[in-house]
Amino acid sequence: AQKITQTQPGMFVQEKEAVTLDCTYDTSDPSYGLFWYKQPSSGEMIFLIYQGSYDQQNATEGRYSLNFQKARKSANLVISASQLGDSAMYFCAMRDEGAGGTSYGKLTFGQGTILTVHP
Amino acid sequence: DAGVTQSPTHLIKTRGQQVTLRCSPISGHKSVSWYQQVLGQGPQFIFQYYEKEERGRGNFPDRFSARQFPNYSSELNVNALLLGDSALYLCASSLVSDYMNTEAFFGQGTRLTVV
Repeated sequence: AQKITQTQPGMFVQEKEAVTLDCTYDTSDPSYGLFWYKQPSSGEMIFLIYQGSYDQQNATEGRYSLNFQKARKSANLVISASQLGDSAMYFCAMRDEGAGGTSYGKLTFGQGTILTVHP
Repeated sequence: DAGVTQSPTHLIKTRGQQVTLRCSPISGHKSVSWYQQVLGQGPQFIFQYYEKEERGRGNFPDRFSARQFPNYSSELNVNALLLGDSALYLCASSLVSDYMNTEAFFGQGTRLTVV
């Protein structure tokens, strides 16, 4: 069974500094995808970044980058130049191959990390 | 283009009652998934539908059921509500492809309170 672990219940960062949110995963599937979502207090889950298990390079999307270490089964999110609007809950999630090797969209989420950005 | 829309946004029900939550996916998306998010936890997978067929089911009791309509919209039904069913219910739509990086787009959720 898939499992996502986020060991940091809460993180604090000063505005304009970088912060790393930890995520480790466990799966027996050879092919999988890793996602990070941001959830503001409004409740909507906002997609941030994706990393495929066969991707050779770490994913980057603007101020977000994913530090993917396959052997260690970790997929940490790095946010550079933090902004006050980055304060939110952050979730790491995984998708497996699904039946027949086709991804139908089921995501397994971690417990989340609350990020607070101080001015 | 409209994103994933869910209705209602908030709902208060009494224990033992039944509730129906609705979700309209992004135009062109054929897969809809439902998640339950209890306060302070990550979302838990409930159901996944594609082309009107159930493709996956999470570890939830039979009180939970869902269906997908020909226009790909979906309903989640919960019978005999318990206090523990109080949660944010999220709907996500996605394209189905052979690639892992199919992004799931989420609605703003329905916040259900059972009293």
